[in-house]
Formats: sequence, C-alpha cells, structure tokens
Amino acid sequence: GENVEQHPSTLSVQEGDSAVIKCTYSDSASNYFPWYKQELGKGPQLIIDIRSNVGEKKDQRIAVTLNKTAKHFSLHITETQPEDSAVYFCAASIGGYQKVTFGTGTKLQVIP
Amino acid sequence: DGGITQSPKYLFRKEGQNVTLSCEQNLNHDAMYWYRQDPGQGLRLIYYSQIVNDFQKGDIAEGYSVSREKKESFPLTGTSAQKNPTAFYLCASSQPGLAVYNEQFFGPGTRLTVL
Repeated sequence: GENVEQHPSTLSVQEGDSAVIKCTYSDSASNYFPWYKQELGKGPQLIIDIRSNVGEKKDQRIAVTLNKTAKHFSLHITETQPEDSAVYFCAASIGGYQKVTFGTGTKLQVIP
Repeated sequence: DGGITQSPKYLFRKEGQNVTLSCEQNLNHDAMYWYRQDPGQGLRLIYYSQIVNDFQKGDIAEGYSVSREKKESFPLTGTSAQKNPTAFYLCASSQPGLAVYNEQFFGPGTRLTVL
C-alpha cells in the first residue's frame, strides 16, 4: 500500500519568515495530493491540493510543488503569521478512489 | 448549514466497556471514514464505507466495528478487545468519482479517554 513520509515533525519560524514542509510517497499510481491544516481540538481542513498533471499551485501565501519523478511534494507558506500555527498534514491518494494515506503531521509554530 | 457532526466531544469510559462514537453528515456524500489520531502518528484509517450497507477495514480495524445502515450515519464501536483505545477520533466524508478528486471533509472529532 501507499506510504507517506512527512518532515519535519515540528517547525518553528519567526513571524514573516517562510515555512516549508516536505513529503514523499511510495505509490507511483497516486495522483492527488491534498494538504490539511488542523487547529487545536478541531478536525483537519483542506487548505490546498495538487493533481499529478500540475507541477505547482499557488493560493495567496501558500503554494504546493510536486515532483512526480522523485515522488516528492512540498508545502510552502510565505510571510507566516501567528494564525498559521497549527498541525499540517500531507496526503496522497488515487483520484476517484476512496483511500487517502496521510503523513504523520508537522506542528508549525509561528513566533510573533 | 452542511457539515459533519460528531458526538460527544469528550467521552470517558472504564476499561472493558464498549463505546460507540456517533458521526452524522448532511453533505449527501456516499463515502465515510473513521480515523484515529495519536500524538506523533498522524491519522490512521480504521474503517471506511463507500456506500450504504458496505464497509471495508482500514489499517487498524482490530477491536473496532462499524455499521452503515443510512447514508448520513456511520457509527463506530470500540469493543473491549481494542487495546489502548484512548485517542482522538475523527470522522470524515467525501463524494468520490472518477472525475472528482477525493477531498475529505472532517468532523470536529471525539476525544475518548479510557480510565
């Protein structure tokens, strides 16, 4: 089955700096890569996703890149703000199918 | 106001007691999921259901059972056979299809503590 590894497990940045979270996946058939943000005591919420036919996608201060050859994908947050502090999960799945495999999460702390 | 509700938010049980967690969705989604979240281990899939009256085991199904008698409901029961059930449990739903990528919508979670 699919295996998703995520690094780092914790990340502290100063407000205004950039944050990068990296993930790798094992199943070359995976073609959908969502990123979820989980605030304390709440369920995860989708913040951005990328499909395998796209190499990069941006939405304001967040961007995701995908390298299919290397099976790597990354989340980039620029101009970080205290409200970006949360746990971020990457995930991989085969579009149209049911099972999504999640990474182990990255706890991001933005220091004011 | 569409969404997923889980109840209760906090649940305490004595060791050896069965426990049932509720999950209801009004998004009209066909697929529903149960995940267990432990510190440092991310989200691990317990069970999922693609359609009413059908469900499949996930990666850590031992000691758990589910039912899917109605499209909007997917309750999870932890039996006394489940080792160390204390965790945060998340329910999710999605509307799958070959042309629709599998975005999952999560409920607020139930924190179960077994004493």
